[in-house]
Amino acid sequence: GENVEQHPSTLSVQEGDSAVIKCTYSDSASNYFPWYKQELGKRPQLIIDIRSNVGEKKDQRIAVTLNKTAKHFSLHITETQPEDSAVYFCAARYYGNNRLAFGKGNQVVVIP
Amino acid sequence: EAQVTQNPRYLITVTGKKLTVTCSQNMNHEYMSWYRQDPGLGLRQIYYSMNVEVTDKGDVPEGYKVSRKEKRNFPLILESPSPNQTSLYFCASSLNPPGSGSYGYTFGSGTRLTVV
Repeated sequence: GENVEQHPSTLSVQEGDSAVIKCTYSDSASNYFPWYKQELGKRPQLIIDIRSNVGEKKDQRIAVTLNKTAKHFSLHITETQPEDSAVYFCAARYYGNNRLAFGKGNQVVVIP
Repeated sequence: EAQVTQNPRYLITVTGKKLTVTCSQNMNHEYMSWYRQDPGLGLRQIYYSMNVEVTDKGDVPEGYKVSRKEKRNFPLILESPSPNQTSLYFCASSLNPPGSGSYGYTFGSGTRLTVV
């Protein structure tokens, strides 16, 4: 089955700096890669996703890049703000069986 | 308001006492799923359902049951809860299976279960 790993587990950044979280996946046939943000005590919420036929996708201050050859995808947050502090989960779709495998999550702390 | 509703939000129970966590969505979503979230382990899928009467196991199905008799409801049943099922549980739904043109999961608010 699919195995998704996230690095680093915790990331601290100064407000205004950029944050990058990287995920690797094992199944080369995976074709859908979403990112979810979970604030403290809240439910996870989809913030951006990318499909395997696209190399990069942007939405305001966040972007996701996909490297299919290396089997990794990354979340980029620019001009970080305190409200970006959260746990971020990456996921990859198991090809052919309609399931998502989630990584263990990254704690991002934005220092004012 | 489009939402996924889970009940209860908090539950403390004793080992072996059957319980049900309810999940209901009002978005006419076909796909529904249950996850448990544990520190350091992320979100692990318990069961999922592609549509009414169609359910399948996720990564950690042992000790759980589900049913999908109606499109909107997807209850999680613990027939004989044990302390290792103490966790934060999330129900999630999406219009289609992940990646199939859907807009991603909508998660419920979560149920924090403690089994003593």
